[in-house]
Amino acid sequence: GEDVEQSLFLSVREGDSSVINCTYTDSSSTYLYWYKQEPGAGLQLLTYIFSNMDMKQDQRLTVLLNKKDKHLSLRIADTQTGDSAIYFCAEVGGSQGNLIFGKGTKLSVKP
Amino acid sequence: GAVVSQHPSRVICKSGTSVKIECRSLDFQATTMFWYRQFPKQSLMLMATSNEGSKATYEQGVEKDKFLINHASLTLSTLTVTSAHPEDSSFYICSASWRGGPFQETQYFGPGTRLLVL
Repeated sequence: GEDVEQSLFLSVREGDSSVINCTYTDSSSTYLYWYKQEPGAGLQLLTYIFSNMDMKQDQRLTVLLNKKDKHLSLRIADTQTGDSAIYFCAEVGGSQGNLIFGKGTKLSVKP
Repeated sequence: GAVVSQHPSRVICKSGTSVKIECRSLDFQATTMFWYRQFPKQSLMLMATSNEGSKATYEQGVEKDKFLINHASLTLSTLTVTSAHPEDSSFYICSASWRGGPFQETQYFGPGTRLLVL
């Protein structure tokens, strides 16, 4: 079945860049997503990338997609303490078109 | 745009009672709503998918008689946890998507409902 893998933790200093990596298995997924979850809150759609793109930039966020290796990454430039959260990578899969999530990467930003 | 609300945000109930959680799409018509469950420090797991006007499709291992889902309109889906037990305590999140447009696969999530069963 479909599977999405992420590293569980990432710690950076304020002002540095953060790179969160993800690998997925379903090559037919049309879109791939990054969601952000702050403590005790629901998911917020951060950004997404269409599968025929290699890169998408949106202000401080850069998404890179390597379809050959089924690897997705999210780069946050000039990371701030407000970026501390759990970041979920997701692909569309399952028989219902639901999202398949990774376990989430907890980003800690130190001042 | 694409705002999804959930109510209540937090609920504490006694074991054996039933709890209803509402999920609303505020500025779009959701043809499909999904219900997810999230245990502490874990990823979201899909419980069921509901399409407006039809019965929900449940994932394997999810009891449909325990987790009743109703998708009565294009803007409202409800999840009722019947005869709740402490092991049902979790974070329940809904999401909504709509057909048509270039982003039909995109799901927008509600803020979640934290259920604690005593």
